[in-house]
Amino acid sequence: SQTIHQWPATLVQPVGSPLSLECTVEGTSNPNLYWYRQAAGRGLQLLFYSVGIGQISSEVPQNLSASRPQDRQFILSSKKLLLSDSGFYLCAWSPRGLTGNSPLHFGNGTRLTVT
Amino acid sequence: SQQGEEDPQALSIQEGENATMNCSYKTSINNLQWYRQNSGRGLVHLILIRSNEREKHSGRLRVTLDTSKKSSSLLITASRAADTASYFCATDGNNDMRFGAGTRLTVKP
Repeated sequence: SQTIHQWPATLVQPVGSPLSLECTVEGTSNPNLYWYRQAAGRGLQLLFYSVGIGQISSEVPQNLSASRPQDRQFILSSKKLLLSDSGFYLCAWSPRGLTGNSPLHFGNGTRLTVT
Repeated sequence: SQQGEEDPQALSIQEGENATMNCSYKTSINNLQWYRQNSGRGLVHLILIRSNEREKHSGRLRVTLDTSKKSSSLLITASRAADTASYFCATDGNNDMRFGAGTRLTVKP
């Protein structure tokens, strides 16, 4: 069966510090991968998605970047965190193919607090 | 940007009652999905309904889709305290799913 791992679960970082959040998927190949951010009590904002190694699409201009160094690994990074980067970050995967034809499978999220 | 919008934003009911949540969207879709999120956790997929379907059931869940009105509803029958969570609809965009802000459901025992 497929599983998705996301870590860390919580993170407190000072403003200006770097960030690296990692997400890995097991039990499937060539998945579509996604990073979403959720503000408190709000819906999900898509940050990045990837349909293959090295293929990253960004939805909104921001202080963050993403990389996909391996087929089932997706990394969210920042060189210098801002207060506005605080939030709940969710990684998700779906089978390769047309988005929407299959469910998204989410990790348990990372609660990031920038102080 | 968000595609679906859920209504109401919050709903509080007694155990055993039915809960109905609505979702409206703006552009044409191929599929619409409903997800559940327990506090502080990731989202869990509940049900997918395709644009050529009008109704779908899964256990105590019933989802309807009206593409002419660009709306969907999620009905949870005989609710339980364990159904307390946020519920989101999501529609397919370009290579991603677009989520609404969700309905916060509280089921009181």
